[in-house]
Amino acid sequence: QSVLSQPPSVSGAPGQRVSISCTGGSSTIGAGYDVHWYQQLPGSAPKLLIYGNNNRPSGVPDRFSVSKSGTSASLAISGLQAEDEADYYCQSYDSSLTARVFGGGTKVTVL
Amino acid sequence: EVKLVESGGALLQPGRSLRLSCSTSGFSFDDYTISWVRQAPGKALEWLGFIRSKAYGATTEYAASVKGRFVISRDDSKTSAYLHLNSLKSEDTAVYYCARVSGYFGSERFDYWGQGTLLTVSS
Repeated sequence: QSVLSQPPSVSGAPGQRVSISCTGGSSTIGAGYDVHWYQQLPGSAPKLLIYGNNNRPSGVPDRFSVSKSGTSASLAISGLQAEDEADYYCQSYDSSLTARVFGGGTKVTVL
Repeated sequence: EVKLVESGGALLQPGRSLRLSCSTSGFSFDDYTISWVRQAPGKALEWLGFIRSKAYGATTEYAASVKGRFVISRDDSKTSAYLHLNSLKSEDTAVYYCARVSGYFGSERFDYWGQGTLLTVSS
């Protein structure tokens, strides 16, 4: 059971918008710690996708965006493309565990 | 180009020990914290720990699940970091990644990753 909860899967047709939630608690997201998101393509290592307040590393399209409210954060993918089919993980800090923590991951399927 | 390359993965029996290596290039290794993350087959990412730069005392932090059994070290002269795994268990079977860490305390992110090395623990 991950400290950060994500839905196991989401799906959408090409061009649609999908959203992935990441729910924490008072010692993680609710405490104000940043949330970062990673994309893991099939058979590949994770890649930093977005960090903090909508900061994208070079090369990441602005179709990816994040929001945060209370004890939750969300990653939105607009204009869904076949190449977006991957696993997505949120990551933050847990002050109770004094540990960096990942969500359980969400598999995005493009229909 | 920032590059991290893990090596040392193997097939080992329970109870054995192993050292994984993370060789890096393309950035000022001395200035960065290096972390280890693993992923068991079909499972989520699990943060294991990290080692800060010498400027921050090369201090380490570990996940509770591996504290006391895993040790992270670094050799700045070789721009490499290491993960020492002791008393291996079958549940340690995973792909092990090293990653460069950026950001301040409590907001650390893993901005570059290696390709991973596979450790299988089985009798």
